[in-house]
Amino acid sequence: AQSVTQLGSHVSVSEGALVLLRCNYSSSVPPYLFWYVQYPNQGLQLLLKYTSAATLVKGINGFEAEFKKSETSFHLTKPSAHMSDAAEYFCAVSEPARGSTLGRLYFGRGTQLTVWP
Amino acid sequence: DAGVTQSPTHLIKTRGQQVTLRCSPISGHKSVSWYQQVLGQGPQFIFQYYEKEERGRGNFPDRFSARQFPNYSSELNVNALLLGDSALYLCASSWGQSSGNTIYFGEGSWLTVV
Repeated sequence: AQSVTQLGSHVSVSEGALVLLRCNYSSSVPPYLFWYVQYPNQGLQLLLKYTSAATLVKGINGFEAEFKKSETSFHLTKPSAHMSDAAEYFCAVSEPARGSTLGRLYFGRGTQLTVWP
Repeated sequence: DAGVTQSPTHLIKTRGQQVTLRCSPISGHKSVSWYQQVLGQGPQFIFQYYEKEERGRGNFPDRFSARQFPNYSSELNVNALLLGDSALYLCASSWGQSSGNTIYFGEGSWLTVV
């Protein structure tokens, strides 16, 4: 069964500092991996996704993530934080398999990112 | 093009009542999924519909039901509401049903049960 663990429910960084949000997954087969962002009182917006192509995935707003199979990780990074990055970030996994789990996303509990001026 | 649209955006219901939430997918998308997001947690999968057929169901009681219409819009129904059903209900759409498709989410419907 798939599961996602996001280490750190809250992360605080200064504006201009590196952003690192951690995500580890468990899956019985090589998964598809996603990062979504949720601004207050809004739905989820896709930042980036990994679907077995390049292991380093670039997304919107300067974010990128690297798939590391040996570490079962898909950490999200951004070199320089901006005030507008303050939001909640969710890592999600799905399995490229048939059956009832096809197309289903399994989410982590989320990481709240605070950016200080 | 419009994104995934949901209605209503906010609603308050009393325990025991029934609620219907509506979703219109992105034009051309044939798959609609529903997720429940309780405060402080990640979204939990409820249903997936593709081509008007249920293709997946999460670990939710039978009080939860859904359907997809010929125009691919969808409704989520919850009967006999409990306080614990208070949550943000998210609708998502994708072109197909496979796991690699990009899934787009709506703004959600905030349900408060009192």
